[in-house]
Amino acid sequence: AQSVTQLGSHVSVSEGALVLLRCNYSSSVPPYLFWYVQYPNQGLQLLLKYTTGATLVKGINGFEAEFKKSETSFHLTKPSAHMSDAAEYFCAVRFYGGSQGNLIFGKGTKLSVKP
Amino acid sequence: DTAVSQTPKYLVTQMGNDKSIKCEQNLGHDTMYWYKQDSKKFLKIMFSYNNKELIINETVPNRFSPKSPDKAHLNLHINSLELGDSAVYFCASSHGTGGYEQYFGPGTRLTVT
Repeated sequence: AQSVTQLGSHVSVSEGALVLLRCNYSSSVPPYLFWYVQYPNQGLQLLLKYTTGATLVKGINGFEAEFKKSETSFHLTKPSAHMSDAAEYFCAVRFYGGSQGNLIFGKGTKLSVKP
Repeated sequence: DTAVSQTPKYLVTQMGNDKSIKCEQNLGHDTMYWYKQDSKKFLKIMFSYNNKELIINETVPNRFSPKSPDKAHLNLHINSLELGDSAVYFCASSHGTGGYEQYFGPGTRLTVT
């Protein structure tokens, strides 16, 4: 079955440290991939997406993600964490051939940033 | 200039009541969605409408009924509310149903007592 897995429900980093949030999907056909961020009591905001083309995609707020087909992964990174990055991060996937527009979300990773 | 808006933001009601949540988008999108986020933050799609026609209807009790009067609006009606309906409901929209990103509203926190 097609699924999305985010490793680590909670990640804690120090301000200025590297942020790495992991996302893996299960599918033999590369899907469309998204990362969303949710700040407390707010909706979801798109950070970045991969559909086709360059496998390293850059998003807002200094985040980037790399699509690795061989590893079925789409990990999110940021070189230097800022306090304002503290939020919940969701990986979302639209699988090829799935219900039109149907996004499957991972369970989310809560990012904490220590001063 | 809000892109996707929802009303109300908070909704507290008793079991057995009927309530509605409204959603509007001013992005010119032709596809709109309803998602449910449970207490563990898990997000699951409930419905999707494309050009006012239902295209996704996940396993949702028939107490939930979406209504799309036009491409810019998708409302959610819930009859006979149950405790388990307590959650945050998000509306979203996109341009088409392909690989296009979805834009989310701020959410409606529904509490059933």
